Amino acid sequence: DQQVKQNSPSLSVQEGRISILNCDYTNSMFDYFLWYKKYPAEGPTFLISISSIKDKNEDGRFTVFLNKSAKHLSLHIVPSQPGDSAVYFCAASAHGGDKLIFGTGTRLQVFP
Amino acid sequence: GAGVSQSPSNKVTEKGKDVELRCDPISGHTALYWYRQSLGQGLEFLIYFQGNSAPDKSGLPSDRFSAERTGGSVSTLTIQRTQQEDSAVYLCASSLSYDANEKLFFGSGTQLSVL
Repeated sequence: DQQVKQNSPSLSVQEGRISILNCDYTNSMFDYFLWYKKYPAEGPTFLISISSIKDKNEDGRFTVFLNKSAKHLSLHIVPSQPGDSAVYFCAASAHGGDKLIFGTGTRLQVFP
Repeated sequence: GAGVSQSPSNKVTEKGKDVELRCDPISGHTALYWYRQSLGQGLEFLIYFQGNSAPDKSGLPSDRFSAERTGGSVSTLTIQRTQQEDSAVYLCASSLSYDANEKLFFGSGTQLSVL
């Protein structure tokens, strides 16, 4: 039972354009969402998060949008840079929960 | 150390052998987590430690898997009688406190290959 789903295994975007990575979840108890970024042979690193009391959180080139009614969140990267090429994992947790539930990841490739 | 350290970085073993994976969390971090990533899969939660105790072991795939943490620091994940389906990247993470909203800091993982 995959509670956090990333239906696009890969995405290819030209440098300078916007990258949009999507994530869907099924558990209505989730109230905190995070994005992690992973380069090959390295562990995932925290990128950005959003609480369910918000519908948008922005940090530089990265913005996360949350649509609670649709149980959907997305990560926007603009402008995309070649260094953004990595695997992006969406994760969610429930208040009082004891662990993060991760999606399967989306591999982003930004080409010049 | 500056970050979460895992060893070995790579481990190749024969089916049926036991393996031990080690994790050194960031100093002062009380919570420690083990995840694994199989080919084409997401990060699968295995177990977490709050201090030296593991309140939730339900994520361990079978009784061949066990983990311990000593001194509120180093943790070892042991897999007995390894099977080919155990092949995966095993990731350890730590956080300042036990809270699912707390930011996790991951190590680089141990790539386990069972032949």
